[in-house]
Amino acid sequence: EIVVTQSPGTLSLSPGERATLSCRASQSVSRSYLAWYQQKPGQTPRLLIYGASSRATGIPDRFSGSGSGTDFTLTINRLEPEDFAVYYCQQYGSSPRTFGQGTKVEIK
Amino acid sequence: EVQLVESGGGLVQPGGSLRLSCAASGFTFTSYAMNWVRQAPGKGLEWVSSISTGGGSTYYADSVKGRFTISRDNSKNTLYLQMNSLRAEDTAVYHCAKSPYGDGSLDYWGQGTLVTVSS
Repeated sequence: EIVVTQSPGTLSLSPGERATLSCRASQSVSRSYLAWYQQKPGQTPRLLIYGASSRATGIPDRFSGSGSGTDFTLTINRLEPEDFAVYYCQQYGSSPRTFGQGTKVEIK
Repeated sequence: EVQLVESGGGLVQPGGSLRLSCAASGFTFTSYAMNWVRQAPGKGLEWVSSISTGGGSTYYADSVKGRFTISRDNSKNTLYLQMNSLRAEDTAVYHCAKSPYGDGSLDYWGQGTLVTVSS
């Protein structure tokens, strides 16, 4: 099983700042099959990025994903008030398709 | 509009069984792989199971393998999760989720159904 570890656990930033979230896999993720999701309280997760770097439909371009192998990054440029949420990465290159434990982006 | 509506959750005793259903609409169900993901109260996301378009390929988390069975009825546009030998640690909201064409990520999610395993 590929263990996915996200860091930091919590990121305290101000609106307008850049957020950099890390996702590290214990083994190489096949074909960069790595996704990022955003979840706000009381809501279902929303797909942001798939295939490590492709934005899902309707996702603003301030969200970008990068990385390959075992190290992946989600960058949020110029944080908007609605971006404060919990973010999860998930590898789906091999079964079981594991999630990271999440990074909370909170208002500083 | 894609809609995924789960049902079948509830309170069950340890060792008991439940069958969850997910009614899909707004897309060609037969063309997309489907998934179950759960979230325990106040905790993170846990992938549970996935199934291919025709149902011939299924995948499970180690924590549920041998106890849960995913299936689909393409004639009814419905996804299922049969859960047996339930444990307290299976308590969670169970979401069904659709995968995009040709990809294993999860682009649409249902609101979920709560399963509580307790005596």
